[in-house]
Amino acid sequence: GQQVMQIPQYQHVQEGEDFTTYCNSSTTLSNIQWYKQRPGGHPVFLIQLVKSGEVKKQKRLTFQFGEAKKNSSLHITATQTTDVGTYFCAESLNTGTASKLTFGTGTRLQVTL
Amino acid sequence: DAGVIQSPRHEVTEMGQEVTLRCKLISGHNSLFWYRQTMMRGLELLIYFNNNVPIDDSGMPEDRFSAKMPNASFSTLKIQPSEPRDSAVYFCASSLGLTSGVGGELFFGEGSRLTVL
Repeated sequence: GQQVMQIPQYQHVQEGEDFTTYCNSSTTLSNIQWYKQRPGGHPVFLIQLVKSGEVKKQKRLTFQFGEAKKNSSLHITATQTTDVGTYFCAESLNTGTASKLTFGTGTRLQVTL
Repeated sequence: DAGVIQSPRHEVTEMGQEVTLRCKLISGHNSLFWYRQTMMRGLELLIYFNNNVPIDDSGMPEDRFSAKMPNASFSTLKIQPSEPRDSAVYFCASSLGLTSGVGGELFFGEGSRLTVL
């Protein structure tokens, strides 16, 4: 079945440092979504990438979809304590009339002053 | 607008008891997902529905688990009998489904934290 691996599992940075998490799939993806889950909270949608090589930015966050549509990355510039949480990629598989979303293993980010 | 509503938020029960978790979708959404989250296994997709019809239940752990969608806005996940290894946070999420061939974003409820003693 589909396997979505994310690395690293955990990263601890000091405020102001950059952070990157990578998502790798064994299959070519239709599209990929990214979510953030704060401690004790629920996953919240960040963005969706559809096209090969696509790059999207949201303030300090940069999302990239690989040319082969088998990997993706999320880069945060100059982290802040509000960035703390677990970041998940989710691969989307269209099944005719619906779309099945399988989540990656997640990367937990800790930011300290 | 109300988001996805789950109940109960917390449930503590004893092994062997029946557990029913409930979910109300966002109005207008036609896809419904049930996920289970644990430290060991992460976010696992249990089952998802489209237009009230179960599309894929391959993630349901075993026959003790069942899910229904009696109407377009409501779903239940039932565990009978419950076991300690079922302890987890169960999330329900809804979406608009496919739009121009692209799946929509998921809106998650706040989750139901289940503890089976």
